Amino acid sequence: EDQVTQSPEALRLQEGESSSLNCSYTVSGLRGLFWYRQDPGKGPEFLFTLYSAGEEKEKERLKATLTKKESFLHITAPKPEDSATYLCAVLRARDKYIFGTGTRLKVLA
Amino acid sequence: NAGVTQTPKFQVLKTGQSMTLQCAQDMNHEYMSWYRQDPGMGLRLIHYSVGAGITDQGEVPNGYNVSRSTTEDFPLRLLSAAPSQTSVYFCASRLAGGNEQFFGPGTRLTVL
Repeated sequence: EDQVTQSPEALRLQEGESSSLNCSYTVSGLRGLFWYRQDPGKGPEFLFTLYSAGEEKEKERLKATLTKKESFLHITAPKPEDSATYLCAVLRARDKYIFGTGTRLKVLA
Repeated sequence: NAGVTQTPKFQVLKTGQSMTLQCAQDMNHEYMSWYRQDPGMGLRLIHYSVGAGITDQGEVPNGYNVSRSTTEDFPLRLLSAAPSQTSVYFCASRLAGGNEQFFGPGTRLTVL
């Protein structure tokens, strides 16, 4: 069965304390893996798309990487404004997206 | 560009009432989708459309109806609201040749 699992469910970091969020997946016919940021009361905001193992994308303090079984979202020297829920999703065959339940990140000043 | 817009932002219904959640996009995206987001669960697809006049069911379609008469608009109808439909609803759109979805701000629905 196709599945996307994100860990940890919640993460508290001190400002400047780097860490990584994990998204593991089992899916047939992976067509892409996506990272979104979601602030409370808002819709998901697109961050990255990764298509093949070994691919990396960066944006400010965020870097996303992809292997054949999982993706990591690395957060370097986070700031309080990085606090949000980070969602992972995969696109599989027949145009179906499968979303994880997200990691709630809190960065303390 | 306004992107994807949704109205209303909040709604409270009584069991058995019907209503329509509105979604519009100004990016000329062919694909549009409706998701619901519940605590502890990932976003789940309700219905989707690959173009005007074409709609199909997603993972959790029961109790919902959709139509797509224009490229811009994709309304979601609740036929007879039930407490199990209490959720946050998101509309999303993307280009037919692209994979990245763009989401609206959501509608928080409570059914009493």
